[in-house]
Amino acid sequence: GAVVSQHPSRVICKSGTSVKIECRSLDFQATTMFWYRQFPKQSLMLMATSNEGSKATYEQGVEKDKFLINHASLTLSTLTVTSAHPEDSSFYICSARDRGGSRGYTFGSGTRLTVV
Amino acid sequence: DQQVKQNSPSLSVQEGRISILNCDYTNSMFDYFLWYKKYPAEGPTFLISISSIKDKNEDGRFTVFLNKSAKHLSLHIVPSQPGDSAVYFCAASGGSGGSNYKLTFGKGTLLTVNP
Repeated sequence: GAVVSQHPSRVICKSGTSVKIECRSLDFQATTMFWYRQFPKQSLMLMATSNEGSKATYEQGVEKDKFLINHASLTLSTLTVTSAHPEDSSFYICSARDRGGSRGYTFGSGTRLTVV
Repeated sequence: DQQVKQNSPSLSVQEGRISILNCDYTNSMFDYFLWYKKYPAEGPTFLISISSIKDKNEDGRFTVFLNKSAKHLSLHIVPSQPGDSAVYFCAASGGSGGSNYKLTFGKGTLLTVNP
């Protein structure tokens, strides 16, 4: 079945530094990648949608300069949290969809980010 | 404005019995609904889905029912097993243009199946 590999699974960083999270589709072409964040006991909140080769579309209230998304290839998308602050600590999850949607939405395993 | 609502934050059932998880939605443009199972610190795992042209979809122990007039769907798990204990998320997609493929999630229901 479709697999999305997300790395790292956990990261601790200091305030002010940047952190990059990668999601790779291993056996299909991810034409669309969705990035979510989840706070404890809350829903998955969509942050942005990116299509390969295009600029990401951010949801209302999400700072595009803070959460940089790159989707340069059909198998790789990255989310970079720039100048991280403790309030950015959260669980970040990517989800990939192929062009026809035949594989549905495949989620990565998530990244637990802790900013100290 | 929460468009997908799971009003029960938790549910506890006995092993072997039926688990019924409920989900309501407000956006009439939603036309595709999915259920995901999630363990802590892991990504969601797809369980079952249903298109708005159907009112029932069954896959093994999992059945999803859709009542479009009531904007309500439910996931039935029977028989429930201890390994089913997890958080279950309801998600919906649909609409026009580029927003078609976005998933909107409910807050999840923690299911505990007791041996």
